[in-house]
Amino acid sequence: QSALTQPASVSGSPGQSITISCTGTSSDVGRYNLVSWYQQHPGRAPKLMIHEVNKRPSGVSNRFSGSKSGNTASLTISGLQAEDEADYYCFSSAGSSVVFGGGTKVSVL
Amino acid sequence: EVQLVESGGGLVQPGGSLRLSCATSGFTFSTYWMNWVRQAPGKGLEWVAYINQDGSETSYVDSVKGRFTISRDNVKNSLSLEMNSLRAEDTALYYCVRGILSPGGYWGQGTLVTVSS
Repeated sequence: QSALTQPASVSGSPGQSITISCTGTSSDVGRYNLVSWYQQHPGRAPKLMIHEVNKRPSGVSNRFSGSKSGNTASLTISGLQAEDEADYYCFSSAGSSVVFGGGTKVSVL
Repeated sequence: EVQLVESGGGLVQPGGSLRLSCATSGFTFSTYWMNWVRQAPGKGLEWVAYINQDGSETSYVDSVKGRFTISRDNVKNSLSLEMNSLRAEDTALYYCVRGILSPGGYWGQGTLVTVSS
């Protein structure tokens, strides 16, 4: 059972924007600015998309952005493309451990 | 080029033991927190354990506490996971992960552990 709550699925049409939420508590997401988002295509290892809530590694498209409000972090994908269809996971520091979400399947209609 | 190569997975009976290894190259291993994350077949990711840069701090998910031990060798640039008292629910692809919450988050390709009689 995941400590962070993500929607099981989110879908959108090409070109649209979608947002994936990641809800924790005041002991993890709400307390630390250490939230990362990973993208995983079927049969592949996960890839870092966002770290420290809203920082994008070099090489990651600027269509991906992160934010946080209270105990909920969010990943927004703008200008949705077919290649964005994948599973997305959030991870957060909880002080002396790491908590994680159950994953969100993004479908491009 | 950053490389994380896991090994040591396989088929083991319930109650048995396995030792996973992760050979790394292409970065300064001793400066990163390291993690193990697993993924059961068809399921989501589950963080298993982390170890800090010099090995003085470790942490585990509740379900493996007392059974799994994470360790590292900063001379050999390698990470290990000793797994004892294995259960069917430990069956998963185990990933070695560099800095899961850091700017340098990077994953290996995983090694499969199957616990079955």
